Amino acid sequence: ILNVEQSPQSLHVQEGDSTNFTCSFPSSNFYALHWYRWETAKSPEALFVMTLNGDEKKKGRISATLNTKEGYSYLYIKGSQPEDSATYLCASGGSQGNLIFGKGTKLSVKP
Amino acid sequence: IAGITQAPTSQILAAGRRMTLRCTQDMRHNAMYWYRQDLGLGLRLIHYSNTAGTTGKGEVPDGYSVSRANTDDFPLTLASAVPSQTSVYFCASSEGGFRYTFGSGTRLTVV
Repeated sequence: ILNVEQSPQSLHVQEGDSTNFTCSFPSSNFYALHWYRWETAKSPEALFVMTLNGDEKKKGRISATLNTKEGYSYLYIKGSQPEDSATYLCASGGSQGNLIFGKGTKLSVKP
Repeated sequence: IAGITQAPTSQILAAGRRMTLRCTQDMRHNAMYWYRQDLGLGLRLIHYSNTAGTTGKGEVPDGYSVSRANTDDFPLTLASAVPSQTSVYFCASSEGGFRYTFGSGTRLTVV
């Protein structure tokens, strides 16, 4: 079973601040790295799927990078807004395609 | 039906009772998964199925069983519920291990 770690566990920022969080995963037998945005009582919302070392993805103010050799990914949010408040999950795809999730980073953005 | 349908939405169950959580998808995805979500623990994989007729154990399979008689349905059964199985359960599916779709979840309380 893969061990996917995320840090920090929680983060409180002011509106307008830029922020980033980290996801680390075993680099051996890497398949794919996923980022999800998750609000309480809702289904996880897919943000990015990355497979190649050096991959960078962007969606509006949110972007992510991937380093498969050292086993980490960063998620960046530029100019945080209150509506960005959520838990951000990363997950690494196992050899069978099943995702193993980290415990998430809970982001709170204060107006 | 569009995507993944889970039923029931929520349930209060007496300890020792048997319960089946239903999951149906209409996307003809080969792979399906069951996760449980617990505070501070993120999403943990219970069981998965890569194709109809096959199933596999995830990170926390004890106390749960699954079956995959056809492509569309992937029920999760608790043979004798215990309070530690109180959780929110998410069913998901994917094609090729890249794009995952999640259901809206089943909130289960075992008393």
